[in-house]
Amino acid sequence: GAVVSQHPSRVICKSGTSVKIECRSLDFQATTMFWYRQFPKQSLMLMATSNEGSKATYEQGVEKDKFLINHASLTLSTLTVTSAHPEDSSFYICSASVGQPGNQPQHFGDGTRLSIL
Amino acid sequence: SQQGEEDPQALSIQEGENATMNCSYKTSINNLQWYRQNSGRGLVHLILIRSNEREKHSGRLRVTLDTSKKSSSLLITASRAADTASYFCAMDNYGQNFVFGPGTRLSVLP
Repeated sequence: GAVVSQHPSRVICKSGTSVKIECRSLDFQATTMFWYRQFPKQSLMLMATSNEGSKATYEQGVEKDKFLINHASLTLSTLTVTSAHPEDSSFYICSASVGQPGNQPQHFGDGTRLSIL
Repeated sequence: SQQGEEDPQALSIQEGENATMNCSYKTSINNLQWYRQNSGRGLVHLILIRSNEREKHSGRLRVTLDTSKKSSSLLITASRAADTASYFCAMDNYGQNFVFGPGTRLSVLP
């Protein structure tokens, strides 16, 4: 149980393109979903916390107009990287949990490797 | 802000040996979790240990927590090549934030 599906797994596109990444909890309802960014050989950096039916909470330094998050249902959250540029190239990972993340395990998707040419 | 440190940054051992990874933090925590990440994949939850617990086991994994020293350790016994991965601790600061440590890259050589 507790499977999170993230799609697509890899995107290569030209600079200026907007890219949408989906994160779905397949067999449970996630009250909260999280979006992380990870650079090579580094840890995860939390970008934003997404709660169903409300606006996402962004971490300091993360541009909310650049990284649009929509959490339309208890099983789906999307991250849209708008007008992507090479510096946005990274590994993006979503996770989902029921309740506060520290009290419950987070269930992760397999990540999306975004490459902007 | 809560920041975790892990050591070693990288660890290379032979199959069958034990691997120990350490995690330290600065402020009081509610819980601490350990995760594993295979290269290019998402993270897999291993163990959650609460602040009032001192030790937890799961198969070949043993996690300890010393709140007086603000540190935790993850021990993998009888390691296998399949244990090769990065291991991260993650700390819950009573809901204020949830932060991952920098990770330890473990290589288990056959």
